[in-house]
Order: sequence, then structure tokens, then C-alpha cells
Amino acid sequence: GENVGLHLPTLSVQEGDNSIINCAYSNSASDYFIWYKQESGKGPQFIIDIRSNMDKRQGQRVTVLLNKTVKHLSLQIAATQPGDSAVYFCAENMAAAGNKLTFGGGTRVLVKP
Amino acid sequence: DTGVSQDPRHKITKRGQNVTFRCDPISEHNRLYWYRQTLGQGPEFLTYFQNEAQLEKSRLLSDRFSAERPKGSFSTLEIQRTEQGDSAMYLCASSPQTDTQYFGPGTRLTVL
Repeated sequence: GENVGLHLPTLSVQEGDNSIINCAYSNSASDYFIWYKQESGKGPQFIIDIRSNMDKRQGQRVTVLLNKTVKHLSLQIAATQPGDSAVYFCAENMAAAGNKLTFGGGTRVLVKP
Repeated sequence: DTGVSQDPRHKITKRGQNVTFRCDPISEHNRLYWYRQTLGQGPEFLTYFQNEAQLEKSRLLSDRFSAERPKGSFSTLEIQRTEQGDSAMYLCASSPQTDTQYFGPGTRLTVL
């Protein structure tokens, strides 16, 4: 939503560089993880997901890594572009709990030209 | 555009008034979720439906809040006797049975 980035940790990255956004999740029983991108005034937009039986998944310019041992998730964005400026949230999901999402705190990414 | 629509996009109301929001999910999705998001925070789960059945409600959903999905298609979220603490973005998401949730643009509620 509007001003969704207030009070969030911020990652400043030069256009063309790679970005890495980290997330610690809370529930070791979670079996599905999603990264969302949220621009000001908009709802969260799906980027990429990964299931707990995988440790890496690649999309277009994005890669998600899952480390279940330490309950850590990361999103790598290759060749960051100005359009990547947004707030990024990780979310965890448990099929046994109706698939409701539990969101992390979010990271604001600012791409400098 | 994910295909999930919400109406209205913005709502300003006075404390004590009732408000109702609507969500139209992606047509073939049988699950519909409501979340609330305050400034600087991630969305928080409120409730969800599978078809017309409301299967779970969060403790965040006080008795002033009610949600319906009468025909298993669109859903409404009503807040009675609004309070200033209800000011937030209300987000709707839909998904197939067990899969990625796609979010609408949200309804921004401001309670004066």
C-alpha cells in the first residue's frame, strides 16, 4: 500500500548490480515459501515460490534459496533495474493450516541509477 | 494486474460508521483470503473461505468484523462501528485449492 516502506530495513543497490534480500522464517513446519514485491499503492505481487523439498529455484532474473537448517530464505535479483525498486516480503505457508500466509517484516530495495 | 479486484480503492469514514469492502477473485479460484496491512508491516491474515464456507478466522478479527462469500464467488468484508485503529490497507487474495495466492490492489481505509 502507500508508504509501505516506512520503518523497513533498506537495501540500496546500483542499477545493474545484483541484489540479495534475506528473510528468517519462524515455523519449521512450513512447507511452502513465497516472495512478493509490493510497490507503493499496490497489493503484493508474486515473484517466485519454493517448496520445502527444494533448496534452490530460479526464475527470470530471480533466484530463491532455502536453508531449512537455519530457517533462512533469500531472494537474489540479477542485474537490478529501476523497476525493481519496491518493498519485498517473504511469506511462509503451511498446507495443514489452510495455506494462510505468514509474512516477514519486509525489505525496501532502492535502485540508484 | 493479477485479476483480483477490490472496491473501493480508498475509503475515508468517521469513527463509529460502518464500512463494507468487496473483493472479486480470479474466477476459477475456490479459495479467498482477507489480510490487513498497516504502515511498515507485512500483511496479517484475517480470514479465509473455501468456496462459500468460512474456514478460519484470526483472533485479529473482532466481533465488529464480518466476512461473507455467499455464492462462492465475490466476498465482502464489513467493519461495524469503525475505530481509528481499524485504519489500514485491507487486502484480498485468491488461490486454487493449494497454491500461490494472488493479491488484489487493496482497499485503503482511513478512520477519522
